[in-house]
Amino acid sequence: DTAVSQTPKYLVTQMGNDKSIKCEQNLGHDTMYWYKQDSKKFLKIMFSYNNKELIINETVPNRFSPKSPDKAHLNLHINSLELGDSAVYFCASSPVAGPYEQYFGPGTRLTVT
Amino acid sequence: AQKVTQAQTEISVVEKEDVTLDCVYETRDTTYYLFWYKQPPSGELVFLIRRNSFDEQNEISGRYSWNFQKSTSSFNFTITASQVVDSAVYFCALSESVGAGGTSYGKLTFGQGTILTVHP
Repeated sequence: DTAVSQTPKYLVTQMGNDKSIKCEQNLGHDTMYWYKQDSKKFLKIMFSYNNKELIINETVPNRFSPKSPDKAHLNLHINSLELGDSAVYFCASSPVAGPYEQYFGPGTRLTVT
Repeated sequence: AQKVTQAQTEISVVEKEDVTLDCVYETRDTTYYLFWYKQPPSGELVFLIRRNSFDEQNEISGRYSWNFQKSTSSFNFTITASQVVDSAVYFCALSESVGAGGTSYGKLTFGQGTILTVHP
């Protein structure tokens, strides 16, 4: 069983469209994260939820909206996609909110044309 | 603000060579945590180690070892007798233990990553 899974693995779409990426973890963790990895491999945190509550919200355009229906799921919805949104998006989870190891999903490669 | 610098963008070695990946960090906190992650060509991020700022003992795990020196704000990673399967991007990361309002949120700040290529 995959510990942290993401769907889809690849997403190709046109500018202006709205898309969602789903993440699920079966580790029983309380905390989940979204990271963005750009073309230069730089990883930056976007959001974090702890037990469905938003606890980290970095400087991200408000076109990005995370949603956590329960503590095992954290989805990322992106409105009005732009070329600069092309990146790999990683979901991660940790047992609780704190400086603990984070377990990452396989990533979703988003390409905006 | 905290910062992590991995000055080596790319390293290329031949199998069986030892290789050290450098990591230098900046933080104003006295309590913090350091991590190393590996990202192989398949793309997933794999956790390697977590070390808190009060534990300066070096750690060894098989062919991997880590040298934490608070005096120089460095947390270097050495692979002994490298193998082709070690080829990956390696990231060093820093997490403050106490955030705003005294709460720890596990926010990781990553370095730029070092691309390691091990040739047969």
